[in-house]
Amino acid sequence: GESVGLHLPTLSVQEGDNSIINCAYSNSASDYFIWYKQESGKGPQFIIDIRSNMDKRQGQRVTVLLNKTVKHLSLQIAATQPGDSAVYFCAESYSGGGADGLTFGKGTHLIIQP
Amino acid sequence: SAVISQKPSRDICQRGTSLTIQCQVDSQVTMMFWYRQQPGQSLTLIATANQGSEATYESGFVIDKFPISRPNLTFSTLTVSNMSPEDSSIYLCSVERGYNEQFFGPGTRLTVL
Repeated sequence: GESVGLHLPTLSVQEGDNSIINCAYSNSASDYFIWYKQESGKGPQFIIDIRSNMDKRQGQRVTVLLNKTVKHLSLQIAATQPGDSAVYFCAESYSGGGADGLTFGKGTHLIIQP
Repeated sequence: SAVISQKPSRDICQRGTSLTIQCQVDSQVTMMFWYRQQPGQSLTLIATANQGSEATYESGFVIDKFPISRPNLTFSTLTVSNMSPEDSSIYLCSVERGYNEQFFGPGTRLTVL
């Protein structure tokens, strides 16, 4: 399938290590944030979300941290596996204006080395 | 989550022609969205489609170029009109479930020659 990571920053980690993917968001009014995983040839897959009234949320092997002061979001993946290789996007939205689409960050291409 | 399908999955088209992309959801949803993902890039919102009303377009996207239909709560179409090679992209639909949660279809990969 087509690669979606050709022009994106790349993060390479060893299998079993932890990885941290960072994202700077643009709108200080954004109150909802999502991390997506996109594998080659597929649509984005929802991983985890966080609302602005929280600064940390954990899922299975993933943790999202939100720092509203500096408008920074991070995704931590524990004990990475080969299946974690993909492009990861953060996305933000603001609910105050009614239902809106998402604004996506640039994306990071995560490569898991065997 | 939601089961979302798109047709066609990919197509190769000649410049000047138009292509209509279909998006089908397995259950009723109020909000549907269309995004474009240019090669090696992130996703950009084209428009928001509510059933029974005109689609709302983002800056840089116009109805004449990307007409959208939303005839019911499970279906939407996006047409890419008068195509040029610059329209070569992946086009994705998404639906909103719960509070702002959006789930995406598999995408339609369009190549314009």
